Amino acid sequence: DVKVTQSSRYLVKRTGEKVFLECVQDMDHENMFWYRQDPGLGLRLIYFSYDVKMKEKGDIPEGYSVSREKKERFSLILESASTNQTSMYLCASSFSGGALKEQFFGPGTRLTVL
Amino acid sequence: DAKTTQPNSMESNEEEPVHLPCNHSTISGTDYIHWYRQLPSQGPEYVIHGLTSNVNNRMASLAIAEDRKSSTLILHRATLRDAAVYYCILRGSIQGAQKLVFGQGTRLTINP
Repeated sequence: DVKVTQSSRYLVKRTGEKVFLECVQDMDHENMFWYRQDPGLGLRLIYFSYDVKMKEKGDIPEGYSVSREKKERFSLILESASTNQTSMYLCASSFSGGALKEQFFGPGTRLTVL
Repeated sequence: DAKTTQPNSMESNEEEPVHLPCNHSTISGTDYIHWYRQLPSQGPEYVIHGLTSNVNNRMASLAIAEDRKSSTLILHRATLRDAAVYYCILRGSIQGAQKLVFGQGTRLTINP
């Protein structure tokens, strides 16, 4: 079974802190994604990566950065956390190539910024 | 990205079939129709996808209208475990990392 794991299920941080959310997949997928999910807004793409050290902005990249030093790991970084970044964060991965490649999601990290 | 329209919520009874509709009148000729679902407190999971023909897998069936402007996800015999938010998503066929554009989805409630 494909496994996408996220470092924490729940996280509480203070405004201004630097926050690292880690995601690891074990299926040798080329593509990795970070989404956030908010009530009434659905899932929105923050960043994605199609290869090691490669990244592309999604729909809402402001306030976030990412790092992909190894193929299996994709990190989301909040440089200076703010209360409006309180959300559910979901990581996903997929093989590259075409629209047929399903995305596999992790269980999510619920981040609260106080 | 082409837009999809789904009902906000639907309700059904356990062990009965469920038909979840999706309208996508602006679908292009190369867009695939994908369905994902999100169980409570979990990330979304892939259910099924199709292009023109109806599709079946172990989880569900996908019926696609002849003009491709609508589709229906069919759960043949719903269980309590099928209670989830179901998302209908259109995806292009170009290469590369394909982002998923999620709408609001349909919240399916299954009554015992």
